[in-house]
Amino acid sequence: NAGVTQTPKFRILKIGQSMTLQCTQDMNHNYMYWYRQDPGMGLKLIYYSVGAGITDKGEVPNGYNVSRSTTEDFPLRLELAAPSQTSVYFCASSPGGQGTYEQYFGPGTRLTVT
Amino acid sequence: AQSVTQLGSHVSVSEGALVLLRCNYSSSVPPYLFWYVQYPNQGLQLLLKYTSAATLVKGINGFEAEFKKSETSFHLTKPSAHMSDAAEYFCAVRVSGGYNKLIFGAGTRLAVHP
Repeated sequence: NAGVTQTPKFRILKIGQSMTLQCTQDMNHNYMYWYRQDPGMGLKLIYYSVGAGITDKGEVPNGYNVSRSTTEDFPLRLELAAPSQTSVYFCASSPGGQGTYEQYFGPGTRLTVT
Repeated sequence: AQSVTQLGSHVSVSEGALVLLRCNYSSSVPPYLFWYVQYPNQGLQLLLKYTSAATLVKGINGFEAEFKKSETSFHLTKPSAHMSDAAEYFCAVRVSGGYNKLIFGAGTRLAVHP
């Protein structure tokens, strides 16, 4: 199993550009999440999904959009990139069954907006 | 509302010394608690979890944590630090209400020197 994979690993965007961060999991997990990590701030939840076709906002959703058309994929869309979106982005998944509460993380995408 | 506080953003120990990373939580319901480790330029990896069974939880790489309800703490320890333990460590609490959402602490960066 590859687990949770993310592409690209690195990206530099100019202000106002758009891009999609890809996330795929091969563990058949129902729940998926997007976080951003900023120095000294821990991880903040951007969006999450509890199944195909179902998404909801997390703590810091402004400037982002998501979709979930399949169990495996959960892309994060940045529209009109701003310097404040410079961060490291992590995708995670969780089984969702009783007694299985942990999340499994991808390797991250480092994004710089200049 | 639930929250997690990690005391000390940076901890430095000598190789072979005791590692103690502090985590205090706030929760109005019995908590599910986690410790994750992040090595440089990698995603988060689960170290251990507390899900209301034994209060002393053993994890990978020789780490363990003790849940103390009276102190609302879940401190992470390792008897003897190794150079390879140098990383950032995050404490997290599961958000009540389902979907396995987590709230993370700000993280503690552990340095191990010879």
